[in-house]
Amino acid sequence: GAGVSQSPRYKVAKRGQDVALRCDPISGHVSLFWYQQALGQGPEFLTYFQNEAQLDKSGLPSDRFFAERPEGSVSTLKIQRTQQEDSAVYLCASSSPNYGYTFGSGTRLTVV
Amino acid sequence: EDQVTQSPEALRLQEGESSSLNCSYTVSGLRGLFWYRQDPGKGPEFLFTLYSAGEEKEKERLKATLTKKESFLHITAPKPEDSATYLCAVLPQGAQKLVFGQGTRLTINP
Repeated sequence: GAGVSQSPRYKVAKRGQDVALRCDPISGHVSLFWYQQALGQGPEFLTYFQNEAQLDKSGLPSDRFFAERPEGSVSTLKIQRTQQEDSAVYLCASSSPNYGYTFGSGTRLTVV
Repeated sequence: EDQVTQSPEALRLQEGESSSLNCSYTVSGLRGLFWYRQDPGKGPEFLFTLYSAGEEKEKERLKATLTKKESFLHITAPKPEDSATYLCAVLPQGAQKLVFGQGTRLTINP
C-alpha cells in the first residue's frame, strides 16, 4: 500500500479486557516498529521486527504486552488484561534503508 | 543512555514571526537526527534527516541545522497551517529504533 495502515483507529476497552491492534506496513519494508505515545509526550519504543523475527522487545512495559509478525508483513500488538495506564496512542512504523521511517496514524486506546 | 530534550514545550507565535525550536541530544554515536511534524490525531510525518554536524536542510519555511550536541528547526515567516507538534528523534549508531523527544507544540496565530 501507499502508507502504513493501522486498525482500528479508536478502541475503547473495559479494564481487564484483551485487545489486538493491527498494523499493515508499506509493502516490501523489512523493519517494523511499535511505539506508545502518551498524551502530550513523544513516542516511546515498544518493540522491533526484522521480517518475522522480533529482534528487540525491550520497550514492552509488562508481560501483558505481546507482538507478532508471523509472515513478515502484517503485525499485531496484543495487550492482555488491559489497565487504565495502557491508555495511549499506539503507533506503528515501517522502514527501509532508502526511505526512512514511515508512521501510521495510530490506534487510540482508551481503557475505562 | 541515549536522551533527547526539546525546548520549549509550547510556543505561540504571530503569523510572520520567525523563531527556532531546539533539540538537545546525548547519544553514544549519532547515525541520524530526524525531525517530524505531528498533527492532532495523526502519526508523525517525516520532515528531515540530518547526519553530521554542520549539515543543513530546507523545505519551504523550515530549515533544520545540526551541531554535535543539538539541532535547531528554524521557522521563517510562519503561517497558521504550520501549527503542529514538532518531534525530534535520534537514531544511535548500531541501533534500529528512534529515540524521541517530548515534542514542541507550535501555534501560529493569524
